[in-house]
Amino acid sequence: EVQLVESGGGLVQPGGSLRLSCVASAFTVSGNYMSWVRRAPGKGLEWVSVIYSGGSTYYADSVKGRFTISRDNSKNTLYLQMNSLRAEDTAVYYCARVRTVTNWFDPWGQGTLVTVSS
Amino acid sequence: NFMLTQPHSVSESPGKTVTISCTGSSGSIASNYVQWYQQRPGSAPTTVIYEDDQRPSGVPDRFSGSIDSSSNSASLTISGLKTEDEADYYCQSYDGNNWVFGGGTKLTVL
Repeated sequence: EVQLVESGGGLVQPGGSLRLSCVASAFTVSGNYMSWVRRAPGKGLEWVSVIYSGGSTYYADSVKGRFTISRDNSKNTLYLQMNSLRAEDTAVYYCARVRTVTNWFDPWGQGTLVTVSS
Repeated sequence: NFMLTQPHSVSESPGKTVTISCTGSSGSIASNYVQWYQQRPGSAPTTVIYEDDQRPSGVPDRFSGSIDSSSNSASLTISGLKTEDEADYYCQSYDGNNWVFGGGTKLTVL
């Protein structure tokens, strides 16, 4: 079954760091475009970052310079390294496969909650 | 930057039909495909429409999508509303290495 499972969320102080993981099943992370999307409390979905199968990476302006997307092909796992965290980064973070050419998200993981608070 | 605008909320009675709009800020919304996602509280988003008007397997044909180039907008129509359709709905498109979501529409079925 095609599936994504995130982990790594938790409570972190402002200015701190956290690394999220997303393990894929039944397809390869390296052979697909993979993305992170978040939803802050009371707000809508926001695209965060993408890594292409060729390795190129792109970020939303709100996280550029603070977040880094990467993957470990041997573990079939996607990562999001989040540094210099701010209160406004508090959200449920979802990983998702990007359907190439048509650019839509499928499937999605179940999400992992990141709370940035002192 | 390209943006998608949705109504904040809509409500309708069970059995009726509701349409949620998604308007592009610039250019042509028809230049890239539009998707629609449903998100119930506490759950991950799921796709109800992809590539403007395609339904994933398992999504009932009560859900349909369309594009209107004259108004630069996309629409999601849900007919025969059921209480289980109550959720947040998001449109989504692409703008050159940037994926864009509408602000979301809360659908209340009452």
